[in-house]
Amino acid sequence: QQPVQSPQAVILREGEDAVINCSSSKALYSVHWYRQKHGEAPVFLMILLKGGEQKGHEKISASFNEKKQQSSLYLTASQLSYSGTYFCGTGGFSGGGNKLTFGTGTQLKVEL
Amino acid sequence: NAGVTQTPKFRVLKTGQSMTLLCAQDMNHEYMYWYRQDPGMGLRLIHYSVGEGTTAKGEVPDGYNVSRLKKQNFLLGLESAAPSQTSVYFCASSYSPGRNQPQHFGDGTRLSIL
Repeated sequence: QQPVQSPQAVILREGEDAVINCSSSKALYSVHWYRQKHGEAPVFLMILLKGGEQKGHEKISASFNEKKQQSSLYLTASQLSYSGTYFCGTGGFSGGGNKLTFGTGTQLKVEL
Repeated sequence: NAGVTQTPKFRVLKTGQSMTLLCAQDMNHEYMYWYRQDPGMGLRLIHYSVGEGTTAKGEVPDGYNVSRLKKQNFLLGLESAAPSQTSVYFCASSYSPGRNQPQHFGDGTRLSIL
């Protein structure tokens, strides 16, 4: 079952912050975040593992709440280059070929 | 370093025709995956492979077959193309094993079935 991402779409002005959530009905062991620009391949941002670890990547960070089975992606002081569709991919038990189940994506547009 | 290369980049087929999509990676990755991406649906796993000579079904395997005869190549076949298979197909690879390995994606193949 696909994880649920919210919001589905968001428009920001440059410099504003945003939060994208990814919720799963299944137990999570890992959450991957990717960004895809129109007509391009998804690009890896970060991985969070079971344990509530928070990671950062420039002005983009993420958290993993094991109890809520949810991950949140935080974009601070957004830049035009942040525009694109953000996907979370959730991993189940540690086996299974590192398979991911992706959400339907959050479209982010940053304007001047 | 090329990473993950997909061929062809675009293709138009008629219903009932067959074709093979090729994915090649030069990173010595064990795991490889085929996804399809449709508007509003995100990425859905078709088939995957955990090593040379192995394949397994993903979420939406019907109508597709795969082969992994060489470690660096993963082929996706459509035996009898249907309009419902019109999509963008992405191949990805990852280093094994473990849950903390990112997937590296190719640039995609845009396939239209008329």
